[in-house]
Amino acid sequence: GDSVTQMEGPVTLSEEAFLTINCTYTATGYPSLFWYVQYPGEGLQLLLKATKADDKGSNKGFEATYRKETTSFHLEKGSVQVSDSAVYFCALSDPGGGADGLTFGKGTHLIIQP
Amino acid sequence: EPEVTQTPSHQVTQMGQEVILRCVPISNHLYFYWYRQILGQKVEFLVSFYNNEISEKSEIFDDQFSVERPDGSNFTLKIRSTKLEDSAMYFCASSLSPYEQYFGPGTRLTVT
Repeated sequence: GDSVTQMEGPVTLSEEAFLTINCTYTATGYPSLFWYVQYPGEGLQLLLKATKADDKGSNKGFEATYRKETTSFHLEKGSVQVSDSAVYFCALSDPGGGADGLTFGKGTHLIIQP
Repeated sequence: EPEVTQTPSHQVTQMGQEVILRCVPISNHLYFYWYRQILGQKVEFLVSFYNNEISEKSEIFDDQFSVERPDGSNFTLKIRSTKLEDSAMYFCASSLSPYEQYFGPGTRLTVT
């Protein structure tokens, strides 16, 4: 079945540091890929998405590129802020592979220190 | 901006009781979903609903669970006889197509 693997946290960085959170996937079809963010005490917010190979999703300074050859969708940001502290989930949607629901990774807790 | 809403935000119930969690999806969306997140663990898919019927369900979604869209706006998840291990955050989501799902803020269910 489909699966998503992302780096375990917590990841602790200083403000203005460069961020990479790794995400790799396995899927039977041609999935769409997503990053969701969960701030403390809140629900899941869609951060960015990519629906086909080589697409780049971007939002709020975050970027991720759909790499089919390496089955990856790593999240990057050039300069993080304290307000970016949250849990980040990589996820895939594979309706063509027969799966309606999103498959999530375990989440990466990001802590940004001032 | 339209959003998915869920009620209640927190539900406490005793083991063996029935609970109904409610969701109002985004109004023009066609696909509806329930997920759960046990504290500290990943978000898990429970069920998807399209065209007034279940289109997919996970192994977690056993006979204790049911979903319903009783009218044009609400989408509910019923747990028939709650167990301690049902304690989790339950998220509703909706989408216009299967590719981009928007989540509600969640209902925290505590079973005592």
